[in-house]
Amino acid sequence: KNEVEQSPQNLTAQEGEFITINCSYSVGISALHWLQQHPGGGIVSLFMLSSGKKKHGRLIATINIQEKHSSLHITASHPRDSAVYICAVGLSLGETSGSRLTFGEGTQLTVNP
Amino acid sequence: NAGVTQTPKFRILKIGQSMTLQCTQDMNHNYMYWYRQDPGMGLKLIYYSVGAGITDKGEVPNGYNVSRSTTEDFPLRLELAAPSQTSVYFCASSYSASWGAGSTDTQYFGPGTRLTVL
Repeated sequence: KNEVEQSPQNLTAQEGEFITINCSYSVGISALHWLQQHPGGGIVSLFMLSSGKKKHGRLIATINIQEKHSSLHITASHPRDSAVYICAVGLSLGETSGSRLTFGEGTQLTVNP
Repeated sequence: NAGVTQTPKFRILKIGQSMTLQCTQDMNHNYMYWYRQDPGMGLKLIYYSVGAGITDKGEVPNGYNVSRSTTEDFPLRLELAAPSQTSVYFCASSYSASWGAGSTDTQYFGPGTRLTVL
């Protein structure tokens, strides 16, 4: 089982729909990231959060530490939102081993006009 | 600012050849990272650096080497290319550790290098 699981793997929506992408993780974390990978391959960081909720424009990210779950919501979706959305968590490797980011496999979102 | 730049954008290597992927950032970031992205898989950390002269292994370091002689540059070296190293490679940087407890920092990614080993 992957340490970070995203669902769904693929999502197709009509323009204007409300989108939810989910991320579950299996270990305690220090921070969670949502990233967007454009069709051309470029990766942009959208959010980093360790508790509660963050909002940027039409994007909202929430995290529930107790349930080890985060969601990324897109309101009033638009074709330009079509991209791969990636969840990544910061995992501790132990006191003497530092920590690292572990990435989910991504959710391919397609928004049709 | 250019942000994080990577060269080359594309490269085809023959098995056993060597090459260096270049990465430069102009944001005075302490932390730099190399990831590989295979189709249908999540990004995997190859190596990272917390500052000039300091590097450490990530999840998948075998077959790669790095150095960090300056704050700006973090080249990734493939010594004996193998087909298993066919992938897209991303360099990233951040001011502090993006995974650290209480950290509010984010990672900035380069455009990627698509490498094929035949």
